[in-house]
Amino acid sequence: NAGVTQTPKFQVLKTGQSMTLQCAQDMNHEYMSWYRQDPGMGLRLIHYSVGAGITDQGEVPNGYNVSRSTTEDFPLRLLSAAPSQTSVYFCASRYGQGGEKLFFGSGTQLSVL
Amino acid sequence: DQQVKQNSPSLSVQEGRISILNCDYTNSMFDYFLWYKKYPAEGPTFLISISSIKDKNEDGRFTVFLNKSAKHLSLHIVPSQPGDSAVYFCAASLIYDQGGKLIFGQGTELSVKP
Repeated sequence: NAGVTQTPKFQVLKTGQSMTLQCAQDMNHEYMSWYRQDPGMGLRLIHYSVGAGITDQGEVPNGYNVSRSTTEDFPLRLLSAAPSQTSVYFCASRYGQGGEKLFFGSGTQLSVL
Repeated sequence: DQQVKQNSPSLSVQEGRISILNCDYTNSMFDYFLWYKKYPAEGPTFLISISSIKDKNEDGRFTVFLNKSAKHLSLHIVPSQPGDSAVYFCAASLIYDQGGKLIFGQGTELSVKP
C-alpha cells in the first residue's frame, strides 16, 4: 500500500521558472491538502480540496495553483518561482471531511535560486 | 497570527524519564487536537489525538491532556526512549468548518539522551 506519494523528492529552480509538484494517493481519500514547512513556522496550509473538482485556499496560497480532476491526484503548481518559495512541501490526505488524522507524503525539498 | 503555538523549540530529556511537550491555542472554537511526530527527511506521522469533549487520552506510553479553560494541551511520553527523538507538532481543527483543515504549531524538537 503506497499511501501518499510525492514527486520529485528534491528540486532546484531558478527565479521565474515554473514547475509542478506531484501528489498521488491510493487510499480513495476525499480530502487532500498541501503544506509547506519552514524553520520556526511549523506547517502552513497552502491549498486544500474536499473532493474532485473542489479546491480552496489555505493560509499561504499566493504564488501557488492547484486543481483536482481526479480523487487520486492533487498537483501543486508554481507559476513563477520566487526565493521565498524555498521550502519543504508536504502533501496530505484523509478519508472524511472532519478533523481526523492526515496521512502525509515524504515531502519535496524545493530550492529557488 | 499564530493560532496554535509551541513555545519551546527544543527539549532534551534523559532516557527513561518523562517528556512533556506543550501547546497553546487561541481559538476557543477548536474541537479536535492532534499530535504528529516527524523524523528528518520523512513526512509527519500521526501519534495521538483528543476531542474537545475529553480532557485526557492515552495510547501506550503517550498521553495527551487538554485544558480547555487554559486553551492548553500537553503530550506526555513515559518512559522516554531514544527512538522518540524527533520533531513533535501539535495541530488543531474545527471539524465542521471549512473542510476541517488542520492548523499546526511551530514544532518542538525532542532529544532523548541514552
